[in-house]
Amino acid sequence: DTEVTQTPKHLVMGMTNKKSLKCEQHMGHRAMYWYKQKAKKPPELMFVYSYEKLSINESVPSRFSPECPNSSLLNLHLHALQPEDSALYLCASSQEFRQGAYNEKLFFGSGTQLSVL
Amino acid sequence: AQKITQTQPGMFVQEKEAVTLDCTYDTSDPSYGLFWYKQPSSGEMIFLIYQGSYDQQNATEGRYSLNFQKARKSANLVISASQLGDSAMYFCAMRENAGNNRKLIWGLGTSLGVNP
Repeated sequence: DTEVTQTPKHLVMGMTNKKSLKCEQHMGHRAMYWYKQKAKKPPELMFVYSYEKLSINESVPSRFSPECPNSSLLNLHLHALQPEDSALYLCASSQEFRQGAYNEKLFFGSGTQLSVL
Repeated sequence: AQKITQTQPGMFVQEKEAVTLDCTYDTSDPSYGLFWYKQPSSGEMIFLIYQGSYDQQNATEGRYSLNFQKARKSANLVISASQLGDSAMYFCAMRENAGNNRKLIWGLGTSLGVNP
């Protein structure tokens, strides 16, 4: 069983809707990640939080807004999405995100399959 | 240039046979880590095995082993005694130590089907 929990598993939204994706981990990890993945492609990094501070934003459009309320929780707020934003959104966590930690394993959730109509 | 190359977009193996999934990488950093992940159709990305650049022995985890050939810059995944549940996408990934690049670099993946 995955120790990273994502909700909801599936989400259908219109282009004018506002919705949120949620991610939770209880492994004591201090780094959390959002990835976007299109079918049959590798995941693309969107955001990294390290010790609850945004560490990396991969030039993601502002219609995606991440939030890390505490070390266990990660949210992704969605607003005015486009059909091309339809994808699998994966949350992941790792012990840390720091220089030298090249051996850090990422633990992923099951993802949220998002469809934008 | 691709930093991680997986040359097999798709392949099939007979149940109970062994299969090798290829991965070559490109880096000038002496310190790096190599990872294999499995992604079944359910979507979850499952960590399988890790090899560090300084590790003297090939990594093994149950039925998974990593054939690490540093001079050739290859890190092939070997699955022994394939099972139907091994049908999935398999991604090879690397993280380097140098500079500000702490991100995982992913290959394009190999889709594995296991035939009964």
